[in-house]
Amino acid sequence: DADVTQTPRNRITKTGKRIMLECSQTKGHDRMYWYRQDPGLGLRLIYYSFDVKDINKGEISDGYSVSRQAQAKFSLSLESAIPNQTALYFCATSDPSGTDEQFFGPGTRLTVL
Amino acid sequence: KNEVEQSPQNLTAQEGEFITINCSYSVGISALHWLQQHPGGGIVSLFMLSSGKKKHGRLIATINIQEKHSSLHITASHPRDSAVYICAAGITDKLIFGTGTRLQVFP
Repeated sequence: DADVTQTPRNRITKTGKRIMLECSQTKGHDRMYWYRQDPGLGLRLIYYSFDVKDINKGEISDGYSVSRQAQAKFSLSLESAIPNQTALYFCATSDPSGTDEQFFGPGTRLTVL
Repeated sequence: KNEVEQSPQNLTAQEGEFITINCSYSVGISALHWLQQHPGGGIVSLFMLSSGKKKHGRLIATINIQEKHSSLHITASHPRDSAVYICAAGITDKLIFGTGTRLQVFP
């Protein structure tokens, strides 16, 4: 079984709809991250969390919110989706007590019409 | 100017060729990461290095801290090496990513 899972894997929605992307991990890592990837651009950090009570904005947090329900779960919400949020979204985890290696989920392809 | 820049953006090669992908960064780093993104989208970490050189199979990563430059080499390239290779600067618990190099290796 995959260590970092994301649901859904693909989603098509309409402008103005609320949507939640979910991430779960079995690696026991405290740190979790949400990124988006757009063609021609590098991965960009949306939000990150170093433990359940620690949530931080990344470089492109506008229009997004997150919830860290447990050590293993980190959800990303788009309160009112807009077409320029169409992208590939990745969740990742890391373990600060080991190396800084990040472990990525399989990605969610989101299309906002 | 991006803090992490990669070159080339696209690279095609014949099977067996030696491949080099370059990464330059303009910030202080704790480590330089190389990742591989498969055609299906999944991302895996290949290397993390803060000095010198690391080797794993046919892949070699080097870093020159003074010049703020890293290279990823693939020896005896194979079609299964076709992927996007991404370098990322590790800075205070976060990563800043380059835009990636798309490699296609033809038989």
